[in-house]
Amino acid sequence: DVKVTQSSRYLVKRTGEKVFLECVQDMDHENMFWYRQDPGLGLRLIYFSYDVKMKEKGDIPEGYSVSREKKERFSLILESASTNQTSMYLCASSAPRTVTYEQYFGPGTRLTVT
Amino acid sequence: GQNIDQPTEMTATEGAIVQINCTYQTSGFNGLFWYQQHAGEAPTFLSYNVLDGLEEKGRFSSFLSRSKGYSYLLLKELQMKDSASYLCAVRPLIGNYQLIWGAGTKLIIKP
Repeated sequence: DVKVTQSSRYLVKRTGEKVFLECVQDMDHENMFWYRQDPGLGLRLIYFSYDVKMKEKGDIPEGYSVSREKKERFSLILESASTNQTSMYLCASSAPRTVTYEQYFGPGTRLTVT
Repeated sequence: GQNIDQPTEMTATEGAIVQINCTYQTSGFNGLFWYQQHAGEAPTFLSYNVLDGLEEKGRFSSFLSRSKGYSYLLLKELQMKDSASYLCAVRPLIGNYQLIWGAGTKLIIKP
């Protein structure tokens, strides 16, 4: 069964802290994505990666960085957390050589920055 | 620009039928997804349409008209557990790995 896991379901951090969100998939997928989801705005792409050590900026990369050292793991880093980064963060993965490019999602991390 | 529009919220009655519409304007088109997302949970895949027409999958059906940039998700015999947000997403021609997402439609089912 397809599985994407995220390191935390809920996280509370202080302004200025460095925050690491981890995502692991066990489907041997090449593509991995980080989104944030806010009410009324839908899913917004922060970064994605189509291979190990490769990364591409999405629509809202400012204030974030990513790391993909291994195929199964994609980390999102908030260099200096700010209150406007309070959000639900969703990780997803997909395989490029499927018919649909369907994305599989992790359970999400609800981050609160105080 | 690229844009996907869906109604923000809809209400329907248990046992009834509801149609959730999605219109899109994107740089090329490779297919359209519908996902279901229960509150506080991850989105889960419902359907994928590439060609025009209706695709039925149990109580859920999805329709696509490429010429009109229009899709709908049809839910029949509504159950309380269908209360969720329904997300429309388009796979554009360029940037195949990415999807363009609508803001989602929150569906409320009343007894």
